[in-house]
Amino acid sequence: DAGVTQSPTHLIKTRGQQVTLRCSPKSGHDTVSWYQQALGQGPQFIFQYYEEEERQRGNFPDRFSGHQFPNYSSELNVNALLLGDSALYLCASSLGGRGGTEAFFGQGTRLTVV
Amino acid sequence: GQSLEQPSEVTAVEGAIVQINCTYQTSGFYGLSWYQQHDGGAPTFLSYNALDGLEETGRFSSFLSRSDSYGYLLLQELQMKDSASYFCAQDSNYQLIWGAGTKLIIKP
Repeated sequence: DAGVTQSPTHLIKTRGQQVTLRCSPKSGHDTVSWYQQALGQGPQFIFQYYEEEERQRGNFPDRFSGHQFPNYSSELNVNALLLGDSALYLCASSLGGRGGTEAFFGQGTRLTVV
Repeated sequence: GQSLEQPSEVTAVEGAIVQINCTYQTSGFYGLSWYQQHDGGAPTFLSYNALDGLEETGRFSSFLSRSDSYGYLLLQELQMKDSASYFCAQDSNYQLIWGAGTKLIIKP
């Protein structure tokens, strides 16, 4: 039973570029949430996808967008990258639109913007 | 900003017991989760409390008092592999709101 998988694991981008991160949820899970974790801090909620729709969004600009596919996998897109976007991006999967109960996390994508 | 408060660092001796406290905001509260995160790794789910009381899972226990907006994680029989950061996170239905994490340092 595969857990949450994210790709790529590491990424280096230049300021102004665009990036797409991918996530496959744990088998049987239908809800995907994305978090940004800066070094030495707790994760910050970006948004949640359930039934292919963005259900709730954290305090992130419109440069951050996402998508959920019929197979429940998800993508996070970030446009016009800033140095401050450098962080670990975590995908969490859960069930039934609930994002807080026993959310399982992938290993994350380490994004470095130079 | 984050509205959960937990100590930034705790030091304990191998084999001992340590308690990590967490206070949370009351609005939109469904439950309190605890996660462990080793350096460079993903957060790993430890426990979840929706109701008052103690939940025990092996060497780890978690407690919640909704009237005090307070919870704690108790780690017993500490092992060197328990050295990690521990996060409390408030379940607000759609999202988890995280504390800044407590770095647990274990000395032999």
